[in-house]
Amino acid sequence: KNQVEQSPQSLIILEGKNCTLQCNYTVSPFSNLRWYKQDTGRGPVSLTIMTFSENTKSNGRYTATLDADTKQSSLHITASQLSDSASYICVVSSNNAGNMLTFGGGTRLMVKP
Amino acid sequence: DAGVIQSPRHEVTEMGQEVTLRCKPISGHNSLFWYRQTMMRGLELLIYFNNNVPIDDSGMPEDRFSAKMPNASFSTLKIQPSEPRDSAVYFCASSLGWNTEAFFGQGTRLTVV
Repeated sequence: KNQVEQSPQSLIILEGKNCTLQCNYTVSPFSNLRWYKQDTGRGPVSLTIMTFSENTKSNGRYTATLDADTKQSSLHITASQLSDSASYICVVSSNNAGNMLTFGGGTRLMVKP
Repeated sequence: DAGVIQSPRHEVTEMGQEVTLRCKPISGHNSLFWYRQTMMRGLELLIYFNNNVPIDDSGMPEDRFSAKMPNASFSTLKIQPSEPRDSAVYFCASSLGWNTEAFFGQGTRLTVV
């Protein structure tokens, strides 16, 4: 069964600190992995999309890594800001029709001043 | 472009009533997705259209749910009859292709009482 597990479920950090969110998956066949940021009351916004051959991808202070061998991904946030407070959702895409997208449960991040 | 536009933003209805949610995708995008998000189940893909044709509706919970895309600029998600357990936030998203970056609307918060 395709699954995406994210950890931690929630995280509180101080402004200016770094943090790393984890995503482990068992989706097969793998097509790509996406990280989304969702602010409270708003729709998810794409941060990165990574294919099988990509190990690292950055978007400003966000850096995603992918290890396709161990089926793990991480999202690293550098020098956190209050506006980083949100839920971060990992989504893994498969080319298998009928089972295309598997969503993680998300990590709720709170950045405190 | 104004992005993906959903209406209404909020809907409160009585159990048994018909509910219609509307979505206008980003112009030029040929893939459209309907999602449902709840605290218990997170984000779930309900149905996906490509070039106005439903490709995968395996996520539609039951026959009370139906979705249409009569043209490239409009889609509806209908629930008839609605039940309290349908209460959730429903998101519409569009993308250039089914496996590329998806842009989400602001969502419709549905409450069935």
